[in-house]
Amino acid sequence: AQSVTQLGSHVSVSEGALVLLRCNYSSSVPPYLFWYVQYPNQGLQLLLKYTSAATLVKGINGFEAEFKKSETSFHLTKPSAHMSDAAEYFCAVSSVTGNQFYFGTGTSLTVIP
Amino acid sequence: EAEVAQSPRYKITEKSQAVAFWCDPISGHATLYWYRQILGQGPELLVQFQDESVVDDSQLPKDRFSAERLKGVDSTLKIQPAELGDSAMYLCASSFLTSGGLDTQYFGPGTRLTVL
Repeated sequence: AQSVTQLGSHVSVSEGALVLLRCNYSSSVPPYLFWYVQYPNQGLQLLLKYTSAATLVKGINGFEAEFKKSETSFHLTKPSAHMSDAAEYFCAVSSVTGNQFYFGTGTSLTVIP
Repeated sequence: EAEVAQSPRYKITEKSQAVAFWCDPISGHATLYWYRQILGQGPELLVQFQDESVVDDSQLPKDRFSAERLKGVDSTLKIQPAELGDSAMYLCASSFLTSGGLDTQYFGPGTRLTVL
């Protein structure tokens, strides 16, 4: 069975500082991994996805994530936070067949001016 | 850019009443998902359709929830009767996934349900 754990339900960073949102997965087979962003009262928007190609995945809005099998991690980073990055971020894992998505509990990112 | 449409965006109802949500997936997407997202939590899958057939409804509270996708295009999720604990965001997503394989899920804006 697949699952993801997001460490830290709330993260605050200063504008211009590094953003690091943590995600660890549990999967019996090589997983597919995703990061989604959700703004208040909106649906989820895909930031990036890992599907067993390059381990460093670049997404939209300057975000990237690195798949580390040895650490079972897929942490999301951005070198310099912008005020518009303030939102809820969800890590998700999918089975190889794509039949099931499992979302983490989310991390709320606050950007301090 | 094609989007998943949902309506209504907000719904307030009293407990024991019936409510219905509508979703129109991206054209050509065979797979449609309904999720429930309780405030402060991640989305939880309620039901998954492949065309007009239900693939997974193991987490759907079938005593009060029902979902249909009669023509394999748009879908309706119904709750009858609504309970206080049903207050949540209901998200619809679609993907091009046909059989096996993986494709990205694209989400609609959601319907925020408040049960009084």
